[in-house]
Amino acid sequence: DSGVTQTPKHLITATGQRVTLRCSPRSGDLSVYWYQQSLDQGLQFLIQYYNGEERAKGNILERFSAQQFPDLHSELNLSSLELGDSALYFCASSDDRVGNSPLHFGNGTRLTVT
Amino acid sequence: AQTVTQSQPEMSVQEAETVTLSCTYDTSESDYYLFWYKQPPSRQMILVIRQEAYKQQNATENRFSVNFQKAAKSFSLKISDSQLGDAAMYFCAYRGYNFNKFYFGSGTKLNVKP
Repeated sequence: DSGVTQTPKHLITATGQRVTLRCSPRSGDLSVYWYQQSLDQGLQFLIQYYNGEERAKGNILERFSAQQFPDLHSELNLSSLELGDSALYFCASSDDRVGNSPLHFGNGTRLTVT
Repeated sequence: AQTVTQSQPEMSVQEAETVTLSCTYDTSESDYYLFWYKQPPSRQMILVIRQEAYKQQNATENRFSVNFQKAAKSFSLKISDSQLGDAAMYFCAYRGYNFNKFYFGSGTKLNVKP
């Protein structure tokens, strides 16, 4: 158990809809990262937050947004969904006060857009 | 930006044999951190092993060990006594010293034959 909690585990929705993915980081970790993984693909970095502030941005579409709240949980909002947004979305957390701290991954949210 | 290259998209190994997965990276930094992650069919992301660039000694975790060659910017993963449960996708990852974002390779799919 990584200590990172992601909800929901599965999400099925229609094109054009909006969904929110939720992540609770491991206790003590200040950073939250979001990744997208399409079937049989690698990990696409979307965005990173550190202690409530955006720290780094990757290949995140304008239709997607995220935030990290004062209690350090994070939400990833996906809007105007398209079929191509179907993927496994990972949240990961890290104690960025320690350099060799690895990413601890949640189990992912499997999004299916129909 | 740093790049991480895994040149072997897929490999196979016989059960109980040893296999080495390759990873190279491109960086101008002198201090950084390297990681190997395992993604089994369940698609969980599991940390296998980590290495600090300032450490000359290669990291070892049970049957997993690395061959870290800093000058060659190479970070290979050796799996000894391969087991069926080792079948998975393996990702190499790089993180810069200043707690920059993680860079992942494209992954190597490892098949283990009984």
